[in-house]
Amino acid sequence: GQQLNQSPQSMFIQEGEDVSMNCTSSSIFNTWLWYKQDPGEGPVLLIALYKAGELTSNGRLTAQFGITRKDSFLNISASIPSDVGIYFCAGRAGTASKLTFGTGTRLQVTL
Amino acid sequence: GAGVSQSPRYKVAKRGQDVALRCDPISGHVSLFWYQQALGQGPEFLTYFQNEAQLDKSGLPSDRFFAERPEGSVSTLKIQRTQQEDSAVYLCASSLVRGDEQYFGPGTRLTVT
Repeated sequence: GQQLNQSPQSMFIQEGEDVSMNCTSSSIFNTWLWYKQDPGEGPVLLIALYKAGELTSNGRLTAQFGITRKDSFLNISASIPSDVGIYFCAGRAGTASKLTFGTGTRLQVTL
Repeated sequence: GAGVSQSPRYKVAKRGQDVALRCDPISGHVSLFWYQQALGQGPEFLTYFQNEAQLDKSGLPSDRFFAERPEGSVSTLKIQRTQQEDSAVYLCASSLVRGDEQYFGPGTRLTVT
């Protein structure tokens, strides 16, 4: 099935650094969601975006709904060790209820 | 409040066996979704219920996969005659209403030997 393209695939950063990742699609979405998944657990919702151009924050996390509606971005400021995990973007198109997920960005934070 | 729960958390089946995976959504959530997550991949949609009605089953990979939600609450995903390629994590998610944010359970890891 279709999966959205996320980049980078993985990243190693030092504690305290800022992180940026993005998600792109060949088709338009009207909702973008960002999830974090820890090993052996289900995805946990971080941020939801509903409008093109929207910028939303949740603590140290900031996400943006791209103007073209084909992309989204997630920034994490001042990373800490518990930020380690896999980050997935997910999009919802039209009137569909199902989510289409990205390929994931694996984040590792070193002290 | 309680989140989405799934059972069992781990299931090992021999090829050819039937399995049943259970999902208890968040109380009051109308919409329920099943996703399949292969190792190293993002979740992929299988099927969607609104109350007891299965409105979208376009993601079910074969007729060996069957899902039900008879009373609009608990859902069961059944896989008949399991094959090795069915090995994956099966995730359940629920949302209050259609189009709302989806909240996921911990998943059931199925291993077919």
